[in-house]
Amino acid sequence: AQTVTQSQPEMSVQEAETVTLSCTYDTSESDYYLFWYKQPPSRQMILVIRQEAYKQQNATENRFSVNFQKAAKSFSLKISDSQLGDAAMYFCAYRAPNTGNQFYFGTGTSLTVIP
Amino acid sequence: EAQVTQNPRYLITVTGKKLTVTCSQNMNHEYMSWYRQDPGLGLRQIYYSMNVEVTDKGDVPEGYKVSRKEKRNFPLILESPSPNQTSLYFCASSFHGRGLGDTQYFGPGTRLTVL
Repeated sequence: AQTVTQSQPEMSVQEAETVTLSCTYDTSESDYYLFWYKQPPSRQMILVIRQEAYKQQNATENRFSVNFQKAAKSFSLKISDSQLGDAAMYFCAYRAPNTGNQFYFGTGTSLTVIP
Repeated sequence: EAQVTQNPRYLITVTGKKLTVTCSQNMNHEYMSWYRQDPGLGLRQIYYSMNVEVTDKGDVPEGYKVSRKEKRNFPLILESPSPNQTSLYFCASSFHGRGLGDTQYFGPGTRLTVL
């Protein structure tokens, strides 16, 4: 089975500052997708950003961007200009399209935003 | 409104009493999945389905059953629940295919407690 590792159980950031959440994964596939999901206290799972492995360019969505290092199997999330509403649990996830509908999630990073 | 719905949202039951958690999506998605979320373990896939009558085991299928008789519905069945199945459960759906088709949409979650 694939594995997704988030080595930072908890992180904190000052409001308006930048924070980077780490994610590494293990796979023998060359074609796959990576995701970051946000889970606020409401428990709803919200897609933050996605990256297709065959694309060299790092994905960006407003204040959220990724640093995708395919050779290193690393997929970190950078949140710029952090806001109080960014406080949540963040999950990294992996999917290989040739393995049906199997998704693998990391154990999550709890982000606190300090006013 | 495009959405994934789950019922019930909260359930307290006793060991051995069969229960079903329903999941329905109105987006005509081919793929559907069930996950459980436990502290420190992230989300783990229980079962997934790639279309009507096509289901397969995820990482933690023991003690669960699913069926996919209609495209929109994917119920999760616990025939003899045990306390170790106390968890937060999520249903998710997505299209089949590349691009946005690989992105999952999650239901609001079902908090299950087995006494």
